[in-house]
Amino acid sequence: GAGVSQSPRYKVAKRGQDVALRCDPISGHVSLFWYQQALGQGPEFLTYFQNEAQLDKSGLPSDRFFAERPEGSVSTLKIQRTQQEDSAVYLCASSNDKTDTQYFGPGTRLTVL
Amino acid sequence: AQSVTQPDIHITVSEGASLELRCNYSYGATPYLFWYVQSPGQGLQLLLKYFSGDTLVQGIKGFEAEFKRSQSSFNLRKPSVHWSDAAEYFCAVGAPGGYNKLIFGAGTRLAVHP
Repeated sequence: GAGVSQSPRYKVAKRGQDVALRCDPISGHVSLFWYQQALGQGPEFLTYFQNEAQLDKSGLPSDRFFAERPEGSVSTLKIQRTQQEDSAVYLCASSNDKTDTQYFGPGTRLTVL
Repeated sequence: AQSVTQPDIHITVSEGASLELRCNYSYGATPYLFWYVQSPGQGLQLLLKYFSGDTLVQGIKGFEAEFKRSQSSFNLRKPSVHWSDAAEYFCAVGAPGGYNKLIFGAGTRLAVHP
């Protein structure tokens, strides 16, 4: 596709459920980033992949958050035992070089009830 | 610690008026600097970026920004605002020489009056 795509666009989960959010980066992009954007705030970095290697996961808020990119393309962000404070928009971005422009997807809005 | 401050949470301008959105950053060296725009329900779109060189940067949609090292600022400007410019604007910094993890400000919401 022409841009970064994310699915689902909207997800409602009951507290305690596990969720999986998918990101399809621009074809050929080496770098992939996940950000969390709480309501009324700017995005905050969660984790970074270079190809299939997760080089930085310093922004993951707890061990309930897990991300993978097994074949160096599609990535999944998994949140276990969701809590209300996990409600946010989760943004994925990719770039074709570690210092190049990041192109963002439309995000997945997660609401935890 | 690295940080980005956007002092104006909300700005309202009249269509055709000029616009300046403020951004100040805290960083140990000269970072990479970005402005993104986010429309409701949309992802972030890059308006412009500064890596090095000329401190006045031109971007898309008629926007420009000026890097001022002495003031640690990277303010966004547009000479004449259009109603379609109503959106949220985010300033961000990235780390040169690394993998460009972005640190964003809290954003400025722009409303445009006809």
